[in-house]
Amino acid sequence: AQSVTQLDSQVPVFEEAPVELRCNYSSSVSVYLFWYVQYPNQGLQLLLKYLSGSTLVKGINGFEAEFNKSQTSFHLRKPSVHISDTAEYFCAVSGFSGSRLTFGEGTQLTVNP
Amino acid sequence: GAGVSQSPSNKVTEKGKDVELRCDPISGHTALYWYRQRLGQGLEFLIYFQGNSAPDKSGLPSDRFSAERTGESVSTLTIQRTQQEDSAVYLCASSSRGRGGSNQPQHFGDGTRLSIL
Repeated sequence: AQSVTQLDSQVPVFEEAPVELRCNYSSSVSVYLFWYVQYPNQGLQLLLKYLSGSTLVKGINGFEAEFNKSQTSFHLRKPSVHISDTAEYFCAVSGFSGSRLTFGEGTQLTVNP
Repeated sequence: GAGVSQSPSNKVTEKGKDVELRCDPISGHTALYWYRQRLGQGLEFLIYFQGNSAPDKSGLPSDRFSAERTGESVSTLTIQRTQQEDSAVYLCASSSRGRGGSNQPQHFGDGTRLSIL
């Protein structure tokens, strides 16, 4: 069984400030890791993924995440946020078979001017 | 279009009625998934289709929920005798097979917002 915990339900930040959205997971098998973003009334858009290789992965819109196996974490970071980054962010895992995704509860990022 | 298409985008119905939700996956994607997203929550897995294999139905919450898929194309999710707790956004996703047989990242539709009165 797999589970995902997003430690912050809401993260308010000011424009141009750095941000980190935290994600921890548990799994009895090796996993693939993902971050998705959801804008209001839309589906989920893939930000980035970790499948294998380098533990630092870069995604779209200037986001990056680092896989830390010993801490079972996959935190999402951006050095300078924009108003347009305001959205709900979901961390998710799947097994190597790539079947179902198990999602965290989501983190609402609000960027204020 | 190039993305996953879901219809209707919104559905309002009375408690006890049956509803059908439709998903058109990206052409060539062999895997199709349904998820449910309740207000303010993450996504719950419902069902997974992979090609012509038997679907993984382990996430369906009750026998009122069922889904079908014709080959590697359209899927319909049916909810019978709807209850108020069925109110949610139902999201469909599809993915292709990568090298080694594992599924590639899932691409999501915009969802169907279902409201049960």
